[in-house]
Amino acid sequence: EAGVVQSPRYKIIEKKQPVAFWCNPISGHNTLYWYLQNLGQGPELLIRYENEEAVDDSQLPKDRFSAERLKGVDSTLKIQPAELGDSAVYLCASSSQGTAQYFGPGTRLTVL
Amino acid sequence: GESVGLHLPTLSVQEGDNSIINCASNSASDYFIWYKQESGKGPQFIIDIRSNMDKRQGQRVTVLLNKTVKHLSLQIAATQPGDSAVYFCAENTGPSGSARQLTFGSGTQLTVLP
Repeated sequence: EAGVVQSPRYKIIEKKQPVAFWCNPISGHNTLYWYLQNLGQGPELLIRYENEEAVDDSQLPKDRFSAERLKGVDSTLKIQPAELGDSAVYLCASSSQGTAQYFGPGTRLTVL
Repeated sequence: GESVGLHLPTLSVQEGDNSIINCASNSASDYFIWYKQESGKGPQFIIDIRSNMDKRQGQRVTVLLNKTVKHLSLQIAATQPGDSAVYFCAENTGPSGSARQLTFGSGTQLTVLP
């Protein structure tokens, strides 16, 4: 069974530029999560989707971050404009009823 | 703030020895989970445990939960070089019975010495 797929794996941009990350969850997993992970710290939830509905986006900085999961499968996370402090690893995870959360490899973002 | 924390940020063990990674929780969570994260990779599920259990075993790993003192630990038997990684504990901070709202600790770096 394929795991959670994320792309790109690495992204380097200049501040004030936009950036987007893509995630394809494990087949059949209706819950999808986006996490932010700073160096040396645990993941912190940005947004959680149940199918196509964002049910917890309380930690998403909505002035510059946006996300979508239009058909309840793939998801994209966007930052516009990016700031220096956005440099981090962006992790996507998915789960189904009764399962643990399974993570993708992450996208390492560097903002110059 | 986070309610999940770790006692030690780093742990070094000799290859072949057993490893014990500890985690403390200040909440009344009903679900706990351990992840392993190798450099450049996403967290990998290791084992989980619900609060109605005090022990659960997997392949070379055992998770122990002491709800009285709110202490969680991960034991790795016969530690191997491939076990070197950062280990995170996480707990459910959402509705009981759901594993959809996890709060992570800051991690313990396990280094296996030859």
